[in-house]
Amino acid sequence: EVHLEESGGGLVQPGGSLRLSCAASGFIFSSFEVNWVRQAPGKGLDWIAYINSDGSAIYYADSVKGRSTISRDNAKNSLSLQMHSLRADDTAVYYCATGGYYAPFDYWGQGTLVTVSA
Amino acid sequence: EIVMTQSPATLSVSPGERITLSCRASQSVRTNLAWYQQRPGQSPRLLIYSASTRAIGVPARFSGSGSGTEFTLAISSLQSEDFALYYCQEYNNWPPGTFGQGTQLDI
Repeated sequence: EVHLEESGGGLVQPGGSLRLSCAASGFIFSSFEVNWVRQAPGKGLDWIAYINSDGSAIYYADSVKGRSTISRDNAKNSLSLQMHSLRADDTAVYYCATGGYYAPFDYWGQGTLVTVSA
Repeated sequence: EIVMTQSPATLSVSPGERITLSCRASQSVRTNLAWYQQRPGQSPRLLIYSASTRAIGVPARFSGSGSGTEFTLAISSLQSEDFALYYCQEYNNWPPGTFGQGTQLDI
C-alpha cells in the first residue's frame, strides 16, 4: 500500500526557514515523480514544487520560486522541501503527492501544517 | 495560465440523489482533467483522471465526462461519505496543473 507521511511543519516567524520531509513506503519511490502541494486554511489546492524520479528535473510555482528547494533521497525513500524567507501567506497544510508533470496527483500524504506568524 | 472554474460553489442535496458538478477551463485541456475528493480533515483523494477514468478503488457511482473546456463529475445515489469538497484539476499544461476553486457538497 502506498504511504506518504509528511513531517517538519510548525510555527515559524516571518522571514524564517523550515524544512519539510515526506517519508515514502509501500512502493518503489525511486520510480515515481513527486510534488509538494499546499492548501491555505479554508482555501483550495496549489501545486508548488515538482521533482522527477531521479531528481534531474525540478519545477517550482512562482509563489515559492527562489525561496524553496525541493530534493529527494531515493536511497532513503524521502522527499524534502527547504523553505526560506517565509511569509504569512505561506501558512498552509503542505502535502506531498506522487504524479504531476502532465499527470494527475495519484497518491497524497496526510499533510503537515506550517504556520508563519510572529 | 489556465483558469479552472467550478460550479456551483456549494450544492446542498440529500442522500440517494444524483448530482452533477461542473468544471470549465479557460482554454482547451483536451481530456487531461482530474477530479479529487477531500473529506473534512483529510487529504485529497484522486477520483477520476483522463476526464472519465475512475481511479483504483473508486466506486462506480462516480463518473466523469467531457473534453476540451467543459467537464462534469456525476455522482449517482449519494452516500453519506460523499459529502465533501470536490476539486477539478487540469494537467494539460505543466507547470502548474491548475486546480479549480472547489465545490462543497453539503447535506
